[in-house]
Amino acid sequence: GAVVSQHPSWVICKSGTSVKIECRSLDFQATTMFWYRQFPKQSLMLMATSNEGSKATYEQGVEKDKFLINHASLTLSTLTVTSAHPEDSSFYICSANSQGAGYEQYFGPGTRLTVT
Amino acid sequence: QQQVKQSPQSLIVQKGGISIINCAYENTAFDYFPWYQQFPGKGPALLIAIRPDVSEKKEGRFTISFNKSAKQFSLHIMDSQPGDSATYFCAASRGGNQFYFGTGTSLTVIP
Repeated sequence: GAVVSQHPSWVICKSGTSVKIECRSLDFQATTMFWYRQFPKQSLMLMATSNEGSKATYEQGVEKDKFLINHASLTLSTLTVTSAHPEDSSFYICSANSQGAGYEQYFGPGTRLTVT
Repeated sequence: QQQVKQSPQSLIVQKGGISIINCAYENTAFDYFPWYQQFPGKGPALLIAIRPDVSEKKEGRFTISFNKSAKQFSLHIMDSQPGDSATYFCAASRGGNQFYFGTGTSLTVIP
């Protein structure tokens, strides 16, 4: 149980376009979802925390107008990278925890974004 | 500011040996300390986690040792296998929110 999926698994887009990444909890209701960014051979950096039905809380230094997060339901959160640029190329990972699962986070498989 | 410091950056262990990875934190409000295993191109997977009210937790070949007074915790992998070769991250959280990750340790287990 506790499976989190992401779609797409990889995406290539042109500079200036927007890209939407979906994160779904498949077999549980996710009260909180987290979005991370990971550069090659580096750690995960928390970008934002989102709770269903409310605005996301962004970490310091993360542009909320550039990285739009929507947590419309208890099983779906989306991250939209607006006006993407090559420096936005990265591995984006979401995670979710369930109200009944204590503090455990369940991670998605990640989405590789390449901006050309 | 790095909330959780992890060492070593890389580790090479012989098959059957013990792999030890260390982490240290500063914020005494943290109350949950998980370890994650990540393979290339994949998301992290929870290995084992501990709360600060216990000093050790063991699950199979994986053991967390926790020293609250020193604000340090470590992962021990007993009888290390080539399939354990991956990147390991420690993390710390307060109340299940805002997980802070260490910088990662690349483990290579050689046959």
